[in-house]
Order: sequence, then structure tokens, then C-alpha cells
Amino acid sequence: EDQVTQSPEALRLQEGESSSLNCSYTVSGLRGLFWYRQDPGKGPEFLFTLYSAGEEKEKERLKATLTKKESFLHITAPKPEDSATYLCASGGAGSYQLTFGKGTKLSVIP
Amino acid sequence: NAGVTQTPKFQVLKTGQSMTLQCAQDMNHNSMYWYRQDPGMGLRLIYYSASEGTTDKGEVPNGYNVSRLNKREFSLRLESAAPSQTSVYFCAAMTGTTQETQYFGPGTRLLVL
Repeated sequence: EDQVTQSPEALRLQEGESSSLNCSYTVSGLRGLFWYRQDPGKGPEFLFTLYSAGEEKEKERLKATLTKKESFLHITAPKPEDSATYLCASGGAGSYQLTFGKGTKLSVIP
Repeated sequence: NAGVTQTPKFQVLKTGQSMTLQCAQDMNHNSMYWYRQDPGMGLRLIYYSASEGTTDKGEVPNGYNVSRLNKREFSLRLESAAPSQTSVYFCAAMTGTTQETQYFGPGTRLLVL
């Protein structure tokens, strides 16, 4: 059974204080590892897809990396507008389904 | 280009009532999905449709039915609502290309009394 575990559950950062969110996954044949951002009262917004170990993708202050067992979302010099819940999901080979983690709620304090 | 749209945005039902949640996408994507999101449980897949004319059960299908009306529309029906179905429901569509990007709608908040 595919599993995705995200840590920490919640993270409070001062503006400008860089940190990382962790996503551990177990899946039979990884098709893709997905990161989403979700603001309160809204649907998840797609950020990144990673396909193989060693792959990295960046978008503004966010950088996602992938190993064979984990993915990290690095946040560099965060701003208050980066406050949101970040979701990680894995997709297995030959499957149309995604398995989601419970998310990390990030709060960036001015 | 609205992406994925859902109606209604909010609904209150009494136990035993039925209703249909509507979802439409204008991105010409093949796959469509229905999830529910509950506090502390994350997103859980209810049903999905890999392509027009096909539907399959996800992790939590009991108490729900779906219809893939055409390539654009995928509806979720609650035949006899229960308080345990109080949740936020999200519809999503996926490209099916190598990029595998999944787009979500804004959600329907359902309260069953």
C-alpha cells in the first residue's frame, strides 16, 4: 500500500528564515512525486512534479528535491505570503491515482 | 479559461437527503477525480475516471456514485446523505501527458445535519 508522510505537521518561521519541509513516501514504482500549495478555503494549487531521484525544480523562493525515499521542499527567505498548507502526493507506476500526505501548515511571521 | 469549476460552493443537507455535486473542466483533460478532505485525514480519493466512459473506485467510495457525463463533466451523487459525509469535496482533472499535472477545483463544502 502506497504511503506518504509529511513532517512537520506545522512550522512557524520568521520572515527571511529559510527551512525545509519533508515528504517521505513508499510506492511501488514511482510515476511522479507532486507538491501542491493550499490556501484556506481553496483547492490545492499545483507547484511541482518530480520524476526521478536527483531531480530538482525551482519556482521563486521554493525548491523541490527528490531522493529514492524522500522529497524536500526548501523555502528560501520566506515571506508572509508563503503561508499556506503544502501537500505532497505520490503516484505509482501504472496507476491513475495519487496518494496524498496530510500536509504541512506553514506560517511565516513578519 | 476557467480550469475546473464546481457547483454548488456550499450545501446543507438533512440526513437521508440526496444531492449531486457537479464538476466541469475546460482543459480537455482525460482523467477526472473526486476527493474529500477532512481535518487530520488529508485528501482521500472517492472515485476517478481515467477516460470518458470509465469510472473506478478510490479509497472511500461507500455512499457515493459517479457519472462521467462526457469528457468535460464528472458528477458525484450522494443518494442518502449521512453526517459522516460532512466534508469538503474537491474535483480534479489531470492531463495524462508526461507532465502529469493535476488541477483542482475550488471545492464544495457540504454539511449534513
